[in-house]
Amino acid sequence: NAGVTQTPKFRVLKTGQSMTLLCAQDMNHEYMYWYRQDPGMGLRLIHYSVGEGTTAKGEVPDGYNVSRLKKQNFLLGLESAAPSQTSVYFCASKWRGQTMNTEAFFGQGTRLTVV
Amino acid sequence: AQSVTQPDIHITVSEGASLELRCNYSYGATPYLFWYVQSPGQGLQLLLKYFSGDTLVQGIKGFEAEFKRSQSSFNLRKPSVHWSDAAEYFCALYTGGGNKLTFGTGTQLKVEL
Repeated sequence: NAGVTQTPKFRVLKTGQSMTLLCAQDMNHEYMYWYRQDPGMGLRLIHYSVGEGTTAKGEVPDGYNVSRLKKQNFLLGLESAAPSQTSVYFCASKWRGQTMNTEAFFGQGTRLTVV
Repeated sequence: AQSVTQPDIHITVSEGASLELRCNYSYGATPYLFWYVQSPGQGLQLLLKYFSGDTLVQGIKGFEAEFKRSQSSFNLRKPSVHWSDAAEYFCALYTGGGNKLTFGTGTQLKVEL
């Protein structure tokens, strides 16, 4: 029962470096999401995907790219990290649809610091 | 535009006291509403959800929430708070295609012993 697994859990980057955050889910969910959490701002959607091979922009997509080559994985990339991208990143997944049993499940988060 | 507002940034209650956390939403269609809890350094745990039907929803850990369409509110309540309830609480709403979650800014709950 792994659920939603995020890798890595912690990372420190220097400004300008690149990295990829991996989200893996074993629930066969169609939809996947990347959020960032900053103090006093709640969680804001970066990008999301409604199926393998599809991605879409969320509320704060600038500076990030994503890919969903396999249904179970959703990758978040930072091509050139900036201090403003210091945040806690959460991945989530859910079944398609809006019925009582289709709530989103969240990973444990990745704490990223850009120095 | 859709939005979720949690008016209280911080709330402090004594252990054993009752709790109410406020949540107001703005959405043009039928709202699907959630309350999540986040303990320090942890991920988000779903407390309860409202999709339709009974407007009083029961959740885990003794929490409940009442959906009031006329007030665009979905307030979270607990009759007697335990010290372990200290955490940050987020109200959220499904919005648009892809069932994206729009979150409020959160309410930090402190419990005094």
